[in-house]
Amino acid sequence: ETGVTQSPTHLIKTRGQQVTLRCSSQSGHNTVSWYQQALGQGPQFIFQYYREEENGRGNFPPRFSGLQFPNYSSELNVNALELDDSALYLCASSLVRGVIAGELFFGEGSRLTVL
Amino acid sequence: EDQVTQSPEALRLQEGESSSLNCSYTVSGLRGLFWYRQDPGKGPEFLFTLYSAGEEKEKERLKATLTKKESFLHITAPKPEDSATYLCAAVFSGGYNKLIFGAGTRLAVHP
Repeated sequence: ETGVTQSPTHLIKTRGQQVTLRCSSQSGHNTVSWYQQALGQGPQFIFQYYREEENGRGNFPPRFSGLQFPNYSSELNVNALELDDSALYLCASSLVRGVIAGELFFGEGSRLTVL
Repeated sequence: EDQVTQSPEALRLQEGESSSLNCSYTVSGLRGLFWYRQDPGKGPEFLFTLYSAGEEKEKERLKATLTKKESFLHITAPKPEDSATYLCAAVFSGGYNKLIFGAGTRLAVHP
């Protein structure tokens, strides 16, 4: 149990719709990262938030956006859903900015299916 | 481009049959090498961090080692509960805040 909780656990959307995924970080962790994991693949970095500001972004289009709130909870928003967006979306929290200083604590993920 | 490659893709072992998983990475700019375990439908669970060649870390039946071009996860006398996907990930100097993951090795340990 990492203390990182994500919601919803599963959801189904149709192409073109928008989705919001939520994450509650482990207590005291001020950095949150989001990853996308397609079936049979390793997770891919979407972006990281530190103290409510974006702190690095992977190769994802602008329709992927995020927020971090003062209580360090976070949201991932995806607009204009495409079939290839079907994946497990993972939230990970850490105590310090950047990963080098410590390991990431992952939630169990939100499984998104786009039809 | 910074890359992490894991082999084999899948491994089937009998209980008690020791083996090793391999993780190779882009040589230049490595700042940290991580191993995670992922059970089906779950998020990755942190196992080890290695920072420099020659470093080793152990936890129960698992031992992780790092050389200048690859890392190994050695599994000694595995049990069925060790069955999972093992993910290797690295942080490179070009992106200190993100993990670059390999595709993982799916390990099945049979009684």
